[in-house]
Amino acid sequence: DAKTTQPTSMDCAEGRAANLPCNHSTISGNEYVYWYRQIHSQGPQYIIHGLKNNETNEMASLIITEDRKSSTLILPHATLRDTAVYYCIVKGTGFQKLVFGTGTRLLVSP
Amino acid sequence: DSGVTQTPKHLITATGQRVTLRCSPRSGDLSVYWYQQSLDQGLQFLIQYYNGEERAKGNILERFSAQQFPDLHSELNLSSLELGDSALYFCASSVVDRGEQYFGPGTRLTVT
Repeated sequence: DAKTTQPTSMDCAEGRAANLPCNHSTISGNEYVYWYRQIHSQGPQYIIHGLKNNETNEMASLIITEDRKSSTLILPHATLRDTAVYYCIVKGTGFQKLVFGTGTRLLVSP
Repeated sequence: DSGVTQTPKHLITATGQRVTLRCSPRSGDLSVYWYQQSLDQGLQFLIQYYNGEERAKGNILERFSAQQFPDLHSELNLSSLELGDSALYFCASSVVDRGEQYFGPGTRLTVT
């Protein structure tokens, strides 16, 4: 599985958009980009995933660059409850494990 | 609520003992995954079962074993416990092998 690089931490004001970047320059053509988050000591929560096209769901939007070497997770209106560690994971199809790196610690402040 | 349940929530035991952690996947999910999260190691994949069969193994110690039963619930057995086994243990499930895995609330194991 391709490795990912994320900033260690980010801050965001409540109500503003949080844009979390991820670099995955060695991603292969059949590998997806997944985002998870973990609120303190809770089980990780699946957010969104994509292959090439931008994706949006009720939680977030995922923007993948045309060369697929990087992506951005967007939380459009961050709330205090979005404070968590966000993990960007690249995974192919088939029986492969999720490899969690160190993630980005997002702090949303009033 | 992810639909994945884990018991017990907390477990405190002594070194050398053996414990069993239980996981019930979401209804309809055939794959179950076990992960360990300790302070110094982060989230580590241990093992995956699909419809009762072991499908993938990660950094699981020989002292640890798991199984998935016909009703699809899974158990993780940890034996000869050491202080370093203290961690959060998460179970996740998915329909088949998918990256969209749904995690339970975890079992916090403390070995004293």
